[in-house]
Amino acid sequence: GAVVSQHPSRVICKSGTSVKIECRSLDFQATTMFWYRQFPKKSLMLMATSNEGSKATYEQGVEKDKFLINHASLTLSTLTVTSAHPEDSSFYICSASSGSYTEAFFGQGTRLTVV
Amino acid sequence: KQEVTQIPAALSVPEGENLVLNCSFTDSAIYNLQWFRQDPGKGLTSLLLIQSSQREQTSGRLNASLDKSSGRSTLYIAASQPGDSATYLCAVIRSDYKLSFGAGTTVTVRA
Repeated sequence: GAVVSQHPSRVICKSGTSVKIECRSLDFQATTMFWYRQFPKKSLMLMATSNEGSKATYEQGVEKDKFLINHASLTLSTLTVTSAHPEDSSFYICSASSGSYTEAFFGQGTRLTVV
Repeated sequence: KQEVTQIPAALSVPEGENLVLNCSFTDSAIYNLQWFRQDPGKGLTSLLLIQSSQREQTSGRLNASLDKSSGRSTLYIAASQPGDSATYLCAVIRSDYKLSFGAGTTVTVRA
């Protein structure tokens, strides 16, 4: 299968600061990338879908001004959590897909802790 | 809206016993279905992908079945080992590659 790399794997930041998470497809061009959030002992919830070169589409209830998504190239999407608060602490995971595959491939996830 | 349910939420078995994990979904118009494994604090490891035209997929000790008409999939793990202890997630995939996940079944295999 294809490889998706997510960085950083863990990050701790202070309240009020912004944090950027990167998602890279290493060996294929990802026309679409997805960002998910996982709460403790809960399922993964889709936050937004990003297509290269266009604005991200956010799921209902997700604040687009708080969770900024950029998909500037076919191999890189970024999620920036702006003005982070402790309630933003969570596990964030990205996935990437292209028309060449029948599945999406997942990054390793990022554990964000806001103190 | 697609709802994915996994039963049971947790399972504890002695080593060597076979595992049966259930997944049900409300909308049968799916593209694919995928089973993942997640270790504590880690990302997702893809186990098996079943395309909507398939009835089952096998990989080693793992076998997953799919019955679209009844909205069910089952993951079988034969001869369980302590290393199989993890949370197993079922996800239904739409044709636009969006996934709807179940909450998972947390498995503990006792040595």
